[in-house]
Amino acid sequence: DIQMTQSPSSLSASVGDRVTITCRASQSISSYLNWYQQRPGKAPKLLIFAASSLQSGVPLRFSGSGSGTDFTLTISSLQPEDFATYYCQQSYSTPPTFGQGTKLDIK
Amino acid sequence: EVQLEDSGGGLVQPGGSLRLSCAASGFTFSSHAMSWVRQAPGMGLEWVSAISGTGGTTYYADSVKGRFTISRDTSKNTLFLQMKSLRAEDTAVYFCATHQDSSGFYQRSPIDYWGQGTLVTVSS
Repeated sequence: DIQMTQSPSSLSASVGDRVTITCRASQSISSYLNWYQQRPGKAPKLLIFAASSLQSGVPLRFSGSGSGTDFTLTISSLQPEDFATYYCQQSYSTPPTFGQGTKLDIK
Repeated sequence: EVQLEDSGGGLVQPGGSLRLSCAASGFTFSSHAMSWVRQAPGMGLEWVSAISGTGGTTYYADSVKGRFTISRDTSKNTLFLQMKSLRAEDTAVYFCATHQDSSGFYQRSPIDYWGQGTLVTVSS
């Protein structure tokens, strides 16, 4: 199975900050990397697919980059509703696997 | 609007069985592969199983292979997960989810919509 490792595991930031979360795959996954946001008690929500494509309806302050094994999710200017847990996930091979999550909370 | 309504969770004893359902609407059900993903309390996300749009191909995580069966009824736009020989480590919220690709294939297609989840608790 492909292992996905996110860093950091937790992050404190303020409204308006620029934040970057990284995700590393244990082998190359080309651009088959997706990012999800999960608020407490809610289902995950797709933010970015294929490493850098913004899902319909997702604000432009979210962006993704990378290919191969190293990927990043950037939030350009944090808003109050962005404080949540973020997961990366590879869809390159079965089983699809998720990172352990990055919990973003208010400083 | 895509809607996925998970149901069927509950408390079951170790070794017991349970069947989860997911009623889908707002999209062409047979054109999209579907998955079940679970989340143990306080933990991350774990993919469990997937099924192609036609229902002809299924996939399972090693942790559930031989115990869980995924299926779909395209006439009722409903996805199922039959769970047998349940263990304490199967305790989780189970989410049904759609795959983005409208060809019905699961491979390399991101999960784009999720149900609200249904809690399965395995305990004596």
